[in-house]
Amino acid sequence: NAGVTQTPKFQVLKTGQSMTLQCAQDMNHEYMSWYRQDPGMGLRLIHYSVGAGITDQGEVPNGYNVSRSTTEDFPLRLLSAAPSQTSVYFCASSYVGYGGSSYEQYFGPGTRLTVT
Amino acid sequence: QQQVKQSPQSLIVQKGGIPIINCAYENTAFDYFPWYQQFPGKGPALLIAIRPDVSEKKEGRFTISFNKSAKQFSLHIMDSQPGDSATYFCAAAVKAAGNKLTFGGGTRVLVKP
Repeated sequence: NAGVTQTPKFQVLKTGQSMTLQCAQDMNHEYMSWYRQDPGMGLRLIHYSVGAGITDQGEVPNGYNVSRSTTEDFPLRLLSAAPSQTSVYFCASSYVGYGGSSYEQYFGPGTRLTVT
Repeated sequence: QQQVKQSPQSLIVQKGGIPIINCAYENTAFDYFPWYQQFPGKGPALLIAIRPDVSEKKEGRFTISFNKSAKQFSLHIMDSQPGDSATYFCAAAVKAAGNKLTFGGGTRVLVKP
């Protein structure tokens, strides 16, 4: 199992450019999510999905779009990059926790994005 | 406004020392408290987790203490080793709401040989 994979590892964008961060998992997890990590802020949830065709907003969704057409893939799109989106982005996956259960989340290696 | 506050931001100890990381939360609906460990250039990985019906949980050299009335929990690393040098994040979730984690700000721990 490759686990959670993310591409690219590094990316530099100019303000206003758009791009898609890729995330894939091979563990058949229903739940997938995107976080951004900034110094002193921990990880903040951007968007999440509990299954193919179902997505929802997290704590900091503005400027980002997601879709989930398959169980395996959960891409994150930056519509018009801004310097404030300079961050390290992590994708995570797990089994779905409902009604009194939580499951370990498996994180990818991250994408370091710089917007100039 | 962070719902989970973590301190300190960084910590340096000698090998064999006991780094202690503290977290405080505000949302009394939180009922699942995991700790994640992150090495440089890697994603976080689950280290240990606790539910509020227990006051302490140990896994190897890692211990979580939980104080429900004070809304605080902490991680102790017993007999710390240089290989424990990493960033540690506390987190909290509402089990009934699924897997949405709220993270603390992180603590960078350096264990000197």
